[in-house]
Amino acid sequence: QKEVEQDPGPLSVPEGAIVSLNCTYSNSAFQYFMWYRQYSRKGPELLMYTYSSGNKEDGRFTAQVDKSSKYISLFIRDSQPSDSATYLCAMSGSASKIIFGSGTRLSIRP
Amino acid sequence: DVKVTQSSRYLVKRTGEKVFLECVQDMDHENMFWYRQDPGLGLRLIYFSYDVKMKEKGDIPEGYSVSREKKERFSLILESASTNQTSMYLCASQTPDRVVNGYTFGSGTRLTVV
Repeated sequence: QKEVEQDPGPLSVPEGAIVSLNCTYSNSAFQYFMWYRQYSRKGPELLMYTYSSGNKEDGRFTAQVDKSSKYISLFIRDSQPSDSATYLCAMSGSASKIIFGSGTRLSIRP
Repeated sequence: DVKVTQSSRYLVKRTGEKVFLECVQDMDHENMFWYRQDPGLGLRLIYFSYDVKMKEKGDIPEGYSVSREKKERFSLILESASTNQTSMYLCASQTPDRVVNGYTFGSGTRLTVV
């Protein structure tokens, strides 16, 4: 079993919809939770991070962590075509090494 | 802004060739990483380094080696390229006291071995 599981999609939604992206994990030592966005033919870039459980909001993006369920989510409100990308969840314990999910490909239809 | 530069965007090499992939970062980061990214398999860690001349094996080191002679440069070497090493290769760097800042990635090198 992988340490981090992520549905690969693809996920296609109309512009303006709310998008929900999710990951589950098995390692209870994870404390740092991140979401990366990767556009086609580019490297991943850090979108959001949270520490431990709770919510974090940044503009149209909200990251949620539920450590009791080992489940993290990224919500995108008022989705735009420019949000079309692959989204990778990532997590880490106290060390520097980060474990990545396999990514969900998201497409926003105009 | 931290910049991580990978020397080539696209490479085509022949089976059996020795291949060098170069990565340079400009922010004095101690930690550097090499990943490969394949559809359905996500990012897989090949090697990483926490300091000059230091290297650690990741999850899939077979067929690869690395070199870190200077802090800013981390090279990935395919000793004898094979077709199953056709992939997107991503380099990343990180400062170890800022785990929450995650990694900064380069734009990737798409390697095709024929």
